[in-house]
Amino acid sequence: DAGITQSPRHKVTETGTPVTLRCHQTENHRYMYWYRQDPGHGLRLIHYSYGVKDTDKGEVSDGYSVSRSKTEDFLLTLESATSSQTSVYFCAISGRLAGGEQYFGPGTRLTVT
Amino acid sequence: GQQVMQIPQYQHVQEGEDFTTYCNSSTTLSNIQWYKQRPGGHPVFLIQLVKSGEVKKQKRLTFQFGEAKKNSSLHITATQTTDVGTYFCAAQNNNAGNMLTFGGGTRLMVKP
Repeated sequence: DAGITQSPRHKVTETGTPVTLRCHQTENHRYMYWYRQDPGHGLRLIHYSYGVKDTDKGEVSDGYSVSRSKTEDFLLTLESATSSQTSVYFCAISGRLAGGEQYFGPGTRLTVT
Repeated sequence: GQQVMQIPQYQHVQEGEDFTTYCNSSTTLSNIQWYKQRPGGHPVFLIQLVKSGEVKKQKRLTFQFGEAKKNSSLHITATQTTDVGTYFCAAQNNNAGNMLTFGGGTRLMVKP
């Protein structure tokens, strides 16, 4: 498995609280992605990064922000968590944007009560 | 945006039976990737198809990319219990930002 870790692995939080999920890679890959996985929806892209301080929105970015201050770290922040953001969040990395296979982290299960 | 439909959503098979999942896009694709996710695990890359009509094999798994590059299939011959999991296709369109768009997945269950 590629060197990708996610923290925390599980989190329960209350509606309205801020939450930050961390993705850390040791592969020095340029591209990093945050997805959410919900039953019946497959994986949906939230935000992605194509370099330090370079990020862009994905398909379901509302309510989420990201930051990448170092090549190895990509943070996903829920400014004010809502129950609709209860999901499993996966980070992925890739060495290429076009035609590059993606390597996924172990995931973070987030429950918003 | 680009949509990728994957069918069926679920498939129960007896061990030894064959299994096929299909992936269809509304637009012409640059390439298509396939991933497998074991229960409780994370998606793992299986293969990428790039050329029109391409067929690739990995042991009992056969992957096809349609001539029009709008559909793909994954066929497993003689399923085993180790094949259990959810199989996702992921489509990439270089004219649509190069992002991967994942299908909803097909969950395969194998009865021993």
